[in-house]
Amino acid sequence: AQRVTQPEKLLSVFKGAPVELKCNYSYSGSPELFWYVQYSRQRLQLLLRHISRESIKGFTADLNKGETSFHLKKPFAQEEDSAMYYCALFSGSARQLTFGSGTQLTVLP
Amino acid sequence: KAGVTQTPRYLIKTRGQQVTLSCSPISGHRSVSWYQQTPGQGLQFLFEYFSETQRNKGNFPGRFSGRQFSNSRSEMNVSTLELGDSALYLCASGTGENYGYTFGSGTRLTVV
Repeated sequence: AQRVTQPEKLLSVFKGAPVELKCNYSYSGSPELFWYVQYSRQRLQLLLRHISRESIKGFTADLNKGETSFHLKKPFAQEEDSAMYYCALFSGSARQLTFGSGTQLTVLP
Repeated sequence: KAGVTQTPRYLIKTRGQQVTLSCSPISGHRSVSWYQQTPGQGLQFLFEYFSETQRNKGNFPGRFSGRQFSNSRSEMNVSTLELGDSALYLCASGTGENYGYTFGSGTRLTVV
């Protein structure tokens, strides 16, 4: 069975500080991982996908198969980054996303 | 390009009633998935449809059902509502390939 773990429910950092949101997964196949973000009173939005190795809004995430991790990082946090972040694993065979429990990021001024 | 549209936005129902929620995916998207979001359980997969066929169903009781029409619009139905069915129900549309899903704003269902 697949599983996604986000160990931090809440994370606070100061503006300009680096931020890292942790995500670990358990999956027997080749993982396809995503980060989704939900800003206050907005819909869930796709932030980035590991297969595209892109940087969105300054965020990056690297898949580490050895550590089964897909941590989200940003070198300099901004107040507008405050949101709920979800790590998700896609199972091609089951055609479903398995979400972590989410991390509420607060960037303090 | 219009996004994923879910109707209604809010619903209040009584225990024992049934409810139907609607989702219109992004034009051209043939995959529609449904998720339940609650504070206690987080985001949980309900089912996925592609070209009118249910391809997978999550671990929910048979009271939860859905369907997809030829225009890719989807509905989900919950019968014999229970208090624990109170949740935000999210619809997600995709191309059917794994490029990520686009979510709707959800339908907030409250069962009293």
